[in-house]
Amino acid sequence: AQSVTQLDSHVSVSEGTPVLLRCNYSSSYSPSLFWYVQHPNKGLQLLLKYTSAATLVKGINGFEAEFKKSETSFHLTKPSAHMSDAAEYFCVVSENQAGTALIFGKGTTLSVSS
Amino acid sequence: DAGVIQSPRHEVTEMGQEVTLRCKPISGHDYLFWYRQTMMRGLELLIYFNNNVPIDDSGMPEDRFSAKMPNASFSTLKIQPSEPRDSAVYFCASSSGSNYGYTFGSGTRLTVV
Repeated sequence: AQSVTQLDSHVSVSEGTPVLLRCNYSSSYSPSLFWYVQHPNKGLQLLLKYTSAATLVKGINGFEAEFKKSETSFHLTKPSAHMSDAAEYFCVVSENQAGTALIFGKGTTLSVSS
Repeated sequence: DAGVIQSPRHEVTEMGQEVTLRCKPISGHDYLFWYRQTMMRGLELLIYFNNNVPIDDSGMPEDRFSAKMPNASFSTLKIQPSEPRDSAVYFCASSSGSNYGYTFGSGTRLTVV
């Protein structure tokens, strides 16, 4: 079965500094991978997705992620954090080869201080 | 498109009562998913439908939970009878195939007292 492990439950950064949210995945075949963001008391919004095209994926709000098969990783990065980036971030993998049901990681809370 | 629409946004009910959560997916999406989110367990997939047919309901916690999708534009998640441990945020999402990701609704915050 597919799974994802988000290595940090909480990450704190200062505004203007880089963001790194780490995610490792487990999959029997080439997975589809996603990052979602959830702001407090809001629904989940798709940040970016990897579906076996370019390994460096650019998403919304300046975020990007790199698929590294050798490391089974899909870390999320942003060069410069903004206060509005404070939220919960979920790394997600497709469950089966047809890629229909998604499995969510436990989430990483990103705090941004001024 | 208005996105995935869930109702109600908030529901407070007494233990033992029936609760019905509603979802309208995005037009043209042929997959619909119900998730539950709690602090303890995170996001859990309860059930999903493809073309209105339930495909996997292994995440439904017990027989008190049931879900239906009578047509392509409407789904319900029912809890009968409700219990305090059912308190959570319930999300509905729709998709045209997960390679495209899901679009989530705003969720229903359920509190069972």
